[in-house]
Amino acid sequence: AQSVTQPDIHITVSEGASLELRCNYSYGATPYLFWYVQSPGQGLQLLLKYFSGDTLVQGIKGFEAEFKRSQSSFNLRKPSVHWSDAAEYFCAVGAGGYNKLIFGAGTRLAVHP
Amino acid sequence: DVKVTQSSRYLVKRTGEKVFLECVQDMDHENMFWYRQDPGLGLRLIYFSYDVKMKEKGDIPEGYSVSREKKERFSLILESASTNQTSMYLCASSLTTGTNYGYTFGSGTRLTVV
Repeated sequence: AQSVTQPDIHITVSEGASLELRCNYSYGATPYLFWYVQSPGQGLQLLLKYFSGDTLVQGIKGFEAEFKRSQSSFNLRKPSVHWSDAAEYFCAVGAGGYNKLIFGAGTRLAVHP
Repeated sequence: DVKVTQSSRYLVKRTGEKVFLECVQDMDHENMFWYRQDPGLGLRLIYFSYDVKMKEKGDIPEGYSVSREKKERFSLILESASTNQTSMYLCASSLTTGTNYGYTFGSGTRLTVV
């Protein structure tokens, strides 16, 4: 069965530091992979997505993610975190037809000034 | 931009009440979804619909039903609300079956059942 694991429930970084959020997936075929961000009290906003091709994907707000098939991973990165990046981040995998997505449990990011 | 609108941001209902959560999208998307979000559990799919009057169960359909009479509107119904249905409910829509373009989400409805 398809699944997504985000090993880190909470991460705290200092403003200006680099960030990497981990995501591992389980899926039998070539996965479609997504990262979403949720600010407090809001819905989810798409940061980036991977369908095929270049394994390094650029997204909005300066985020990027790298698909590594051998590690079943799709980690999200940002070279320099801003205080406004404090939010919850969700990794998701496309689960077959009808565009269903399976989400990880999320990683809550706190940013210290 | 596609907009997905959930009619209520906050709802408080009593145990046993019938509850309707409404979701409307304005870009002619075929697929619509209802998820619930709970701390530490991420988003779990309740029901989805790929066409008018068509619906499919997700991972946690028990205690819920849905209605899609028009393409733009997808309603989630709690037949008899219980306290364990206190949660954040998120509606989403997407464009096309067979390819994963990603969802557009509404802002969510935080439901409290007392």
